Amino acid sequence: NAGVTQTPKFRILKIGQSMTLQCTQDMNHNYMYWYRQDPGMGLKLIYYSVGAGITDKGEVPNGYNVSRSTTEDFPLRLELAAPSQTSVYFCASSYVAGGPDTQYFGPGTRLTVL
Amino acid sequence: AQSVTQPDIHITVSEGASLELRCNYSYGATPYLFWYVQSPGQGLQLLLKYFSGDTLVQGIKGFEAEFKRSQSSFNLRKPSVHWSDAAEYFCAVGTGANNLFFGTGTRLTVIP
Repeated sequence: NAGVTQTPKFRILKIGQSMTLQCTQDMNHNYMYWYRQDPGMGLKLIYYSVGAGITDKGEVPNGYNVSRSTTEDFPLRLELAAPSQTSVYFCASSYVAGGPDTQYFGPGTRLTVL
Repeated sequence: AQSVTQPDIHITVSEGASLELRCNYSYGATPYLFWYVQSPGQGLQLLLKYFSGDTLVQGIKGFEAEFKRSQSSFNLRKPSVHWSDAAEYFCAVGTGANNLFFGTGTRLTVIP
């Protein structure tokens, strides 16, 4: 049982490039999330999904896209990378039954945009 | 709107001393409250959570937290800190949609 896995661990992008951050969970959780963590700040929710085929915006969605075709995977897409997207990105998942539940986090992807 | 305030950016304690990390929240409904810990270069790990019932909750690694509705607080405590407790600690409030709103974190340094 690997929990939540994220790839890559590190990435450097040039301005205007695109990339996909991968996230997979093997706990059969229905909810999945993407957060970004800027230096000295807490995590901010980018997008979340309540199940396959259903996604919704969080607090800071601009510049990102997501899809959820399976229960296990929740990739995050950056189409035109900007320096403001330099951050550490965390994926998380939870099983929700009638209310908020514990979110399990992946190890993060450190992204630098130059 | 929901928000979380952690007033202490950085705290330094001696090993063996007691610890209290402060957390104040703002949320219109019954809050779901969490404390997470983040070690350097790692993801977040849940320490404890409060949904309802007993206002004093016990977590992993000897941590506990007390929910005080009248003060809108959920402070984290540990009676005796170990060097391995050095990390960043985040308080979070969960909404009905299972979205978490995090505070800015408190960095704990433990000195021998």
